[in-house]
Amino acid sequence: EAQVTQNPRYLITVTGKKLTVTCSQNMNHEYMSWYRQDPGLGLRQIYYSMNVEVTDKGDVPEGYKVSRKEKRNFPLILESPSPNQTSLYFCASATRGRTDTQYFGPGTRLTVL
Amino acid sequence: KQEVTQIPAALSVPEGENLVLNCSFTDSAIYNLQWFRQDPGKGLTSLLLIQSSQREQTSGRLNASLDKSSGRSTLYIAASQPGDSATYLCARYKLSFGAGTTVTVRA
Repeated sequence: EAQVTQNPRYLITVTGKKLTVTCSQNMNHEYMSWYRQDPGLGLRQIYYSMNVEVTDKGDVPEGYKVSRKEKRNFPLILESPSPNQTSLYFCASATRGRTDTQYFGPGTRLTVL
Repeated sequence: KQEVTQIPAALSVPEGENLVLNCSFTDSAIYNLQWFRQDPGKGLTSLLLIQSSQREQTSGRLNASLDKSSGRSTLYIAASQPGDSATYLCARYKLSFGAGTTVTVRA
């Protein structure tokens, strides 16, 4: 089954404790992206990757890191989480073209205390 | 920066009524426009994708139109059902999302 998976689905942590949210897709997609969703603000792009070893900042990259060492995986790293990073996070993937559909993971609800 | 706006933020209709959801964007030079459905606490499910060279796409009871000259896309849902209750989001290319319209269909 074609899918995007994220882990963990729910996470409660404390300020400053490094964490990683994993994202994996099995569709051989070149493009992958991370978004955060906050009430009233919609989805905002954090980082995206057009291919292996190619990453770029989205609209709200501050406080986040990503890496793309393999085509299927695109982890999101919070080196020192803060309460304002409490949010619902989505990973998405798509083929590289401009006419393609994005496929989303189920989301990770992160709470930073 | 490209802005995507969805109005209204929420909509409540009786079952059987047709739904009209609006999405507007500030830059007519879009590549594609995609409509998604999001159920509470869940991820996004793609409904329809309209490429910039197209004017509309249809899938079952859903029809989405695209007017680049006016910077608008409209999602029509015919004969609404309680199962259509969800938040509907539009997105320009892979980059900019609207905040969504939350739809409630009353039985």
